[in-house]
Amino acid sequence: QVDLQQSGAGLLKPSETLSLTCALSPGSFSNYIWTWIRQPPGKGLEWIGEITDSGRSVYHPSLRGRLTLSLDTSKNQFSLQLTSVTAADTAVYFCAKIKGLVVPKGIVSWGQGTLVSVSS
Amino acid sequence: IVLTQSPLSLPVTPGEPASISCKSSESLLDSSGYNFLDWYVQKPGQSPQVVIYLGSNRASGVPDRFSGSGSGTDFTLKIRRVEAEDVGIYYCMQGRQTPRTFGQGTRLEIK
Repeated sequence: QVDLQQSGAGLLKPSETLSLTCALSPGSFSNYIWTWIRQPPGKGLEWIGEITDSGRSVYHPSLRGRLTLSLDTSKNQFSLQLTSVTAADTAVYFCAKIKGLVVPKGIVSWGQGTLVSVSS
Repeated sequence: IVLTQSPLSLPVTPGEPASISCKSSESLLDSSGYNFLDWYVQKPGQSPQVVIYLGSNRASGVPDRFSGSGSGTDFTLKIRRVEAEDVGIYYCMQGRQTPRTFGQGTRLEIK
């Protein structure tokens, strides 16, 4: 059973904008933190940002200014936009949900991952 | 917060125990008494999945041969008897503060 279904373009040119969406199936935004994590090819995991059910977002300092996370409760989905991409942004991007707001009880569900390649 | 895992590679004979260490550059113990440290495994070709949360709580569906221990800055993931299905890369992750950070990963393989 796929809890989080990712969609979005996987091949970009430098300076373009990366847009990814994660649909909840089924879903409620309450009591979860909605997060994005990426994994460069052959490397480890990197948290890049998260947004709560109330819409409060936190971004990785290295991406602040380029990254925007949002929720769309009417469509049961949350989204990522990363502007001015470079080759350094090439990675598999995962959406995920963390259970609990005050005392997070782990990342309980992950999307299937989207390989994003940035190349001219 | 920097998390340092060891070893980075762990070959194990089936049926033998395994242990992975995760050391944090800062305490992960919250004033509420919780250790904000989770363990994840990424099996080949799959998205990661949670194994242990809040330092020592086994996630739903995780076999009881897995256990997590530790507090503050030193944590350990133990597998009592390794099985072939446990192959993968194990990561610790801290949720004490943002940015959340991961350890480098420990690759567990079967001898």
